[in-house]
Amino acid sequence: GENVEQHPSTLSVQEGDSAVIKCTYSDSASNYFPWYKQELGKRPQLIIDIRSNVGEKKDQRIAVTLNKTAKHFSLHITETQPEDSAVYFCAASRGALIFGKGTTLSVSS
Amino acid sequence: GAVVSQHPSWVICKSGTSVKIECRSLDFQATTMFWYRQFPKQSLMLMATSNEGSKATYEQGVEKDKFLINHASLTLSTLTVTSAHPEDSSFYICSAARQGAKDSPLHFGNGTRLTVT
Repeated sequence: GENVEQHPSTLSVQEGDSAVIKCTYSDSASNYFPWYKQELGKRPQLIIDIRSNVGEKKDQRIAVTLNKTAKHFSLHITETQPEDSAVYFCAASRGALIFGKGTTLSVSS
Repeated sequence: GAVVSQHPSWVICKSGTSVKIECRSLDFQATTMFWYRQFPKQSLMLMATSNEGSKATYEQGVEKDKFLINHASLTLSTLTVTSAHPEDSSFYICSAARQGAKDSPLHFGNGTRLTVT
């Protein structure tokens, strides 16, 4: 089955800096890769996604890159703000979403 | 947009009792729904895939006789935790895939926080 590895588990940055979270997946059949932001006690919120026929996608301060050959994808957040502090999950789809273990991002002002 | 309603949002029950959690897609038909469990400070772990009109597919290590899933219509799936024990205390979240929409975002319910005393 699919296995998704996510790094780092925690990430602390200063406001205005960039943050990068990386994920790898094992199932070459996976072709949909969303990223979720989860605040404590709440459901995950989709922040950006990418499909296997696209290498990069950007939405304002957030971008995602995908390397299908290497089976890894990354989330890039630029100009981080304190409200970006949350847990971020990557996922890979084989119908159901298989999630990485999450990255706790802390942005200090 | 697509809305998934999950009830209850929280429940406290005594050990040995059963708890039913409902997941409804309010404005779309969902052929497939997924049930996840999330322990504190951990990731979402897929428990089972629920298909309308057929038996659910359970992930390895998930007891199908303990976590009963019913997907009787295109808009409703239920998860019943039978004979609940304190170790079943967790955050349970359902998600639904819009019928016919392959590789599209899943829509999550708000989750149910189960506490077994």
